[in-house]
Amino acid sequence: QVQLVQSGAEVKKPGASVKVSCKASGYTFSSFGISWVRQAPGQGLEWMGWISGYNANTNYAQKLQGRVTMTTDTSTSTAYMELRSLRSDDTAVYYCGRLSSWELDYWGQGTLVTVSS
Amino acid sequence: QSALTQPASVSGSPGQSITISCTGTSSDVGGYDYVSWYQQHPGKAPKLMIYDVTNRPSGVSNRFSGSKSGNTASLTISGLQAEDEAHYYCSSYTSRITLVVFGGGTKLTVL
Repeated sequence: QVQLVQSGAEVKKPGASVKVSCKASGYTFSSFGISWVRQAPGQGLEWMGWISGYNANTNYAQKLQGRVTMTTDTSTSTAYMELRSLRSDDTAVYYCGRLSSWELDYWGQGTLVTVSS
Repeated sequence: QSALTQPASVSGSPGQSITISCTGTSSDVGGYDYVSWYQQHPGKAPKLMIYDVTNRPSGVSNRFSGSKSGNTASLTISGLQAEDEAHYYCSSYTSRITLVVFGGGTKLTVL
């Protein structure tokens, strides 16, 4: 069965960076993209971007350009999302999802990133 | 402000039907048949309920259905059950740089 397992919660200071992992299993990693979506406390879903599992092409949300990098390690079927220059409004649960066409058909369990001094 | 507009809340009694709307533009909802709907219970990851406007993934109840007219997509839940109480989000492919946009979410209350 398809599973996406994310790394654990993180607490970071403003200005720091965070890297969240998303390990995929149960399907051929290179056949699907991985998307990242975040959800601030009590707020809705925000699309961050996606990365191709085939050739690692990326597309990032305009508001995060320059601060976010998405990568993959095909040898371990793992996707990574790094966010730099963290601010308090980056505090959120970060989800990875398998991108099938333009929908996320499987989701990770979420990773809480707290940015606080 | 989200790119797609949803009502903040809807409610219905058990057994009734409700519809949640999702309004966009010709650059997203109106221009492509790539509208999806997600259900999210508190503290849980979202779950895909509808994709490509009308399609249900395997395992999703046929009480959930999707449609689209012009720039507005809709999710209809028939035979409401207590377990349907959750937040629902629409999303769509968009021709803008972002590629995918979400609605602001709708809280469904089962009375």
